[in-house]
Amino acid sequence: DTEVTQTPKHLVMGMTNKKSLKCEQHMGHRAMYWYKQKAKKPPELMFVYSYEKLSINESVPSRFSPECPNSSLLNLHLHALQPEDSALYLCASSQVRGQGTEAFFGQGTRLTVV
Amino acid sequence: AQSVTQLGSHVSVSEGALVLLRCNYSSSVPPYLFWYVQYPNQGLQLLLKYTSAATLVKGINGFEAEFKKSETSFHLTKPSAHMSDAAEYFCAVIYSGGYQKVTFGTGTKLQVIP
Repeated sequence: DTEVTQTPKHLVMGMTNKKSLKCEQHMGHRAMYWYKQKAKKPPELMFVYSYEKLSINESVPSRFSPECPNSSLLNLHLHALQPEDSALYLCASSQVRGQGTEAFFGQGTRLTVV
Repeated sequence: AQSVTQLGSHVSVSEGALVLLRCNYSSSVPPYLFWYVQYPNQGLQLLLKYTSAATLVKGINGFEAEFKKSETSFHLTKPSAHMSDAAEYFCAVIYSGGYQKVTFGTGTKLQVIP
């Protein structure tokens, strides 16, 4: 199983809503990532979890709150988002040891903030 | 800051023609290099990766890339383009000491003309 599964595939939310994006992998990877991708742009790293602990936060606004409840799951909690937060949100996972190990990406959640 | 540069945001080739997508990295220390492909509204799929084992790397779907230290390049090629190759291609890099932080190039959109 080399899949990273993201749900939902599409999400429309208002600026006062609270929603969560979910990501799951069963490859035994202990590093998991959230990326944000705007149209016609490359993915931008948001957060990295290593062994279920937050190791990198790329100065992401607090309206985005990541959570890693166990080694297979990664959540991104959303609250009070702005229209400019509309984007494709990608989850990825990889091995931790051995630099050069590739990241496996999910299909993404297309988020629209209205 | 260390980076990776993709020359040409759009490349058009005829079906059956050679595909050449350019990528240059900026570091005196060879990094770990990857090529990813992204189809519309999809996640990223790994095409191939360079991790110093061999300078000519073969990937999926007939793609290959050659690492050239003297030119700090890692260009992606395919001898004969197929319509299904139309997609966005991202060169990506992990630098030594950069943990698992993947930096993406700006992407090249490949158009294949029948």
